[in-house]
Amino acid sequence: EDQVTQSPEALRLQEGESSSLNCSYTVSGLRGLFWYRQDPGKGPEFLFTLYSAGEEKEKERLKATLTKKESFLHITAPKPEDSATYLCAVRGGSNYKLTFGKGTLLTVNP
Amino acid sequence: GAGVSQSPSNKVTEKGKDVELRCDPISGHTALYWYRQSLGQGLEFLIYFQGNSAPDKSGLPSDRFSAERTGGSVSTLTIQRTQQEDSAVYLCASSLSGTGGYEQYFGPGTRLTVT
Repeated sequence: EDQVTQSPEALRLQEGESSSLNCSYTVSGLRGLFWYRQDPGKGPEFLFTLYSAGEEKEKERLKATLTKKESFLHITAPKPEDSATYLCAVRGGSNYKLTFGKGTLLTVNP
Repeated sequence: GAGVSQSPSNKVTEKGKDVELRCDPISGHTALYWYRQSLGQGLEFLIYFQGNSAPDKSGLPSDRFSAERTGGSVSTLTIQRTQQEDSAVYLCASSLSGTGGYEQYFGPGTRLTVT
């Protein structure tokens, strides 16, 4: 069974203070690792897909990386508008569904 | 272009009543998924459609839950004889195809409260 564990559960940063969120996973035949952002009262917003170890993707202040066991979402010089819950999900080879972690609640203070 | 839409955005119902939740996927997306998000829980998969067929219903929690999709587009999730434990946000997602590593795009969700 696919499993995803995210840490920390919550992270509070000062504006401009860079940090990383962790997503550890076990999956049989990775078909994709996905990062989403979710704001309160809204559905998850797609950020990145990573397919193989060593792959990296960037978008504005966010950079996602992937190894065979975990993924990191690096946030460089965050702004208050980056405050949200960040969700990690995997899709295994025989599944159509995404298996999600419980998320990291990021708060960036001005 | 238009994203995934869901209706209603909020639904309050009495225990024992039936409810229907609707999802309009992104045009051209053949795959459609339903998930449930409860307080303190992650997103929980319910059902997957490819076209009008549902090859994976493994996440439906009981036989009170059913879903259909018509015309390869709109989907309806029906919960019969609702219970308080059914209270959650029901999210719909769609993707270009169910095969491959295509990303899933989510709608805003329907918040269901059973009193």
